[in-house]
Amino acid sequence: AQSVSQHNHHVILSEAASLELGCNYSYGGTVNLFWYVQYPGQHLQLLLKYFSGDPLVKGIKGFEAEFIKSKFSFNLRKPSVQWSDTAEYFCAVMLDSNYQLIWGAGTKLIIKP
Amino acid sequence: DAGVIQSPRHEVTEMGQEVTLRCKPISGHNSLFWYRQTMMRGLELLIYFNNNVPIDDSGMPEDRFSAKMPNASFSTLKIQPSEPRDSAVYFCASSLRQGSNQPQHFGDGTRLSIL
Repeated sequence: AQSVSQHNHHVILSEAASLELGCNYSYGGTVNLFWYVQYPGQHLQLLLKYFSGDPLVKGIKGFEAEFIKSKFSFNLRKPSVQWSDTAEYFCAVMLDSNYQLIWGAGTKLIIKP
Repeated sequence: DAGVIQSPRHEVTEMGQEVTLRCKPISGHNSLFWYRQTMMRGLELLIYFNNNVPIDDSGMPEDRFSAKMPNASFSTLKIQPSEPRDSAVYFCASSLRQGSNQPQHFGDGTRLSIL
């Protein structure tokens, strides 16, 4: 069965540190990839998405992600985090043949001021 | 533009009572999703509608849960009778059309507590 793995359940960083959150999926076909963010007490919001073209995707709030097809990965990065980036981050994969989003378990990011 | 609108935002009720959660998708979106989020199980897809028709309800936990979409602008998720283990945040999401390149847009969720 297809799955999405987010390897780190919790990440704690200091402000200005660089961030990379891992996301790997298991599916050999065409995929569309998403990162969503959920700030405390709020709903999920789309951070960025990859459908095709340039594998380096830029999203809102300075986030970017790189699709590496050979590694089945779509890691999220930010060069310098802020306290306001404290949130839970979800990676999701949509198979080209399906409608459903397959969700990772989420990574809770805590930024120390 | 208004996003996905859910009501109520919070619901606290006693076990055994009927609970009805409501969702208004973004106008023009024809795919609607109901999710449940808990600490233990994360985000779970309960049911998916396309053009008001339930396509996949395999995520609905048991017969106590039912969902309807009588028209393109309204959906309900009902729990009857409710149990404490149903306590969770329930999200509704909609997307423009069934298709793999359309992101889902989420509502603010309903935080449900069953006592």
